Amino acid sequence: SQTIHQWPATLVQPVGSPLSLECTVEGTSNPNLYWYRQAAGRGLQLLFYSVGIGQISSEVPQNLSASRPQDRQFILSSKKLLLSDSGFYLCAWSVRRQGEQYFGPGTRLTVT
Amino acid sequence: QKEVEQNSGPLSVPEGAIASLNCTYSDRVSQSFFWYRQYSGKSPELIMSIYSNGDKEDGRFTAQLNKASQYVSLLIRDSQPSDSATYLCAVNMRGFGNEKLTFGTGTRLTIIP
Repeated sequence: SQTIHQWPATLVQPVGSPLSLECTVEGTSNPNLYWYRQAAGRGLQLLFYSVGIGQISSEVPQNLSASRPQDRQFILSSKKLLLSDSGFYLCAWSVRRQGEQYFGPGTRLTVT
Repeated sequence: QKEVEQNSGPLSVPEGAIASLNCTYSDRVSQSFFWYRQYSGKSPELIMSIYSNGDKEDGRFTAQLNKASQYVSLLIRDSQPSDSATYLCAVNMRGFGNEKLTFGTGTRLTIIP
C-alpha cells in the first residue's frame, strides 16, 4: 500500500530564516506530487505541483520554491521566511490523471 | 464567482439524522469530483469520489452528481458525533489532461448528540 511521509510535524521559525520541508511517498512509482498551504481557518491553496523529476509548476508567485530531486521526493524551500508564510503545509500525491489526491500528515509552521 | 463554492456553515445536525452537504462548480467540462473530510488540526482524508451523473453509495455516505446543474452533494446517513469535521469538495476543473484539483473552502459540520 502507498504511504506518504512529511517532516517535521511542527516547526517554529523566526522571520528571515530559511525553510526546508520534505515529503516522500512509498509504494508507488511516478506519482504526481503537490504542495498545498492552509492558513488558519482558510481553504487549501495549491503552491506547487510536479508530474515528474525536475518538473515543477508554480501556482502562486511568492518567496517559496519547490524541487523534486527523486521520483518520490518533493521538497519545499524558502530562503527567507515571512510572517505570512505561517500555516499548515500539506503534501499530496496522485497517480491517475484527473484522479484523487492523497494527503500526508502535514507540517504546521509558525513564523515568529 | 468562486470556481468551487460551498456553504461554510457551521451546519448542525442531530445525531442519527441525515446531513446534507452541497457544492457547486463553475466549469462545465469538469470530469472528476471528490469529497474530503478534515478533522480539526489534521490533514484532509478522501471519503468519496464520483465521476458520473447520479448517486454513488459507500456505507453511510452517498455522493450525488448533477453535471447539467453543476452541483455535487454528499449525504451522511445516521450521523454520528465522529462525523463532526470540515468537509471539502474538490473538482478537476478542466477535464482530461488537467492534473490539478480545485478545492472549496469547506463546510463545517457539527453533529449534536
